[in-house]
Amino acid sequence: NAGVTQTPKFQVLKTGQSMTLQCAQDMNHEYMSWYRQDPGMGLRLIHYSVGAGITDQGEVPNGYNVSRSTTEDFPLRLLSAAPSQTSVYFCASSSTGVSNQPQHFGDGTRLSIL
Amino acid sequence: GNSVTQMEGPVTLSEEAFLTINCTYTATGYPSLFWYVQYPGEGLQLLLKATKADDKGSNKGFEATYRKETTSFHLEKGSVQVSDSAVYFCARGNSGGSNYKLTFGKGTLLTVNP
Repeated sequence: NAGVTQTPKFQVLKTGQSMTLQCAQDMNHEYMSWYRQDPGMGLRLIHYSVGAGITDQGEVPNGYNVSRSTTEDFPLRLLSAAPSQTSVYFCASSSTGVSNQPQHFGDGTRLSIL
Repeated sequence: GNSVTQMEGPVTLSEEAFLTINCTYTATGYPSLFWYVQYPGEGLQLLLKATKADDKGSNKGFEATYRKETTSFHLEKGSVQVSDSAVYFCARGNSGGSNYKLTFGKGTLLTVNP
């Protein structure tokens, strides 16, 4: 049971570099989302998708891009990394077909921007 | 907008002590309510949920009751164990039953000492 898989687990970038955080789920979930977790801030929604080809902004979308070309994958792109984007990033998925289904989380990507 | 306010930690207890972590939510619509737990180095896992007023969610000795009149969903456990040490997040789903867009509280760190 893979569930939600995030790669890499750790990454260090220099300011201005770009990278893509990968997220894949094997549960055929329609809904996928990206959160960032910062000390004292809880989890804040960056972007989300309710199905392939459909994405929307969350609470803190600036500096991040997403796309959803398949049901399984939902990559998060940082085009020009900034120190303020140092955080732990979590991907989550859930079914939207049945209400009140829980979200399933990956183990996170710890990202440091120098 | 939607918001969740939970008790700030950290909370430190001795083994077998009684635990309460307070959580209140904004009363927009009729959201589902959740408690998630995050063990060190891991992603979030659903601990329990409640989908309507007066529902009681329970799991692993933890309980929380959906109180519409006080807009609260406090987490309780009668006798904590060292293995319960983790960060606990209260969350609410969308109004109208769909939970796929969650709003989280800031998290409460619980440490249980032997």
